[in-house]
Amino acid sequence: DQQVKQNSPSLSVQEGRISILNCDYTNSMFDYFLWYKKYPAEGPTFLISISSIKDKNEDGRFTVFLNKSAKHLSLHIVPSQPGDSAVYFCAASRSNTGNQFYFGTGTSLTVIP
Amino acid sequence: DVKVTQSSRYLVKRTGEKVFLECVQDMDHENMFWYRQDPGLGLRLIYFSYDVKMKEKGDIPEGYSVSREKKERFSLILESASTNQTSMYLCASSSGTGVYSGANVLTFGAGSRLTVL
Repeated sequence: DQQVKQNSPSLSVQEGRISILNCDYTNSMFDYFLWYKKYPAEGPTFLISISSIKDKNEDGRFTVFLNKSAKHLSLHIVPSQPGDSAVYFCAASRSNTGNQFYFGTGTSLTVIP
Repeated sequence: DVKVTQSSRYLVKRTGEKVFLECVQDMDHENMFWYRQDPGLGLRLIYFSYDVKMKEKGDIPEGYSVSREKKERFSLILESASTNQTSMYLCASSSGTGVYSGANVLTFGAGSRLTVL
């Protein structure tokens, strides 16, 4: 049973516009969330994280929003750039049990120049 | 600057062969993981290890085993490869033990693309 879901397999956005990638989770015990970016033939690289004590975390062009009541998080990229074209995975964990991260199925973002 | 190294980027094996996938990290991390990535299924955890000689099953351990004889090295073994094990295999590591170790970031290797014919 998929505990972390990314319901949009793909997304296309014009360069300079906002990209919004969504992620839902079912386990209310998750309290730490991460986004990873993956280019073809490479391993995922860490992008940004948020703990459940916050509802927003920002790092440059990337902002993650967490809505605990809806069990939903989103990644905003503003402005989008062609180099942002990649597959984005969200992941969740229970920080006090350690070790196991649950990943979504990924969203393939294409930024059109 | 490479921190997690997977020994083989591309492998082609035949059904029934024994396959070893090696992973080495140089960050002195306690925790190491093996995932496989398949289209439409995301990353699924096969096995993980939180200490030398320790291992825990992930979500899809069937058909796989692991070995961790040294802190920096975590090997994934396919005893008898099958075509449904054709996939991208990703090794990762993270620091920390016990409480709040789940709040640590995973660092991934570049991946090993395995094709079983």
